Amino acid sequence: DADVTQTPRNRITKTGKRIMLECSQTKGHDRMYWYRQDPGLGLRLIYYSFDVKDINKGEISDGYSVSRQAQAKFSLSLESAIPNQTALYFCATSDLIDRGPGTDTQYFGPGTRLTVL
Amino acid sequence: LAKTTQPISMDSYEGQEVNITCSHNNIATNDYITWYQQFPSQGPRFIIQGYKTKVTNEVASLFIPADRKSSTLSLPRVSLSDTAVYYCLVGDAGNTGKLIFGQGTTLQVKP
Repeated sequence: DADVTQTPRNRITKTGKRIMLECSQTKGHDRMYWYRQDPGLGLRLIYYSFDVKDINKGEISDGYSVSRQAQAKFSLSLESAIPNQTALYFCATSDLIDRGPGTDTQYFGPGTRLTVL
Repeated sequence: LAKTTQPISMDSYEGQEVNITCSHNNIATNDYITWYQQFPSQGPRFIIQGYKTKVTNEVASLFIPADRKSSTLSLPRVSLSDTAVYYCLVGDAGNTGKLIFGQGTTLQVKP
């Protein structure tokens, strides 16, 4: 079984709909991340969480919200989806270390392809 | 945070050594450099990380010059299975949440 799973793997929705993407991990890691990837671009950080009580905004948090329900679960919500949120979304985890995100070894899920019409 | 620039694509042949360079001219003192590999329909996978000089592991080497304004990922004796997109990442160790991925280099390994 995969260590980092994401559901759904594919989703097509309409403008204005609320969408939730879910991420679960069995690695026992404290840190969890949400990224989006657009064609020809690198990954961009949306939100990250160092533990259940810790949520931090990344570079592109506008239009998104997150919930850390447990150590193993981290959900990303689009409250009112818009077409430019069409992208590939990745969840990642890492062990807690005493350095910032982007300096740790991250383990990525398989991604969720989201299309907003 | 340092902007990262990588070549869009590279071609190589099986058995050759491949070097992919990432430019990060404005890298800060607290920044680390990490490289990831991504296959189609999969998430990125960690390859190697460094701060300065040279780091080597079982799959790659990472060369970082003294001024740290660039870094080079070296893949020895590539095979067809190394065909993938390679991303460099510059991240702030100071816990500001600042990190930036390059746009990725598509490596095509030919037989």
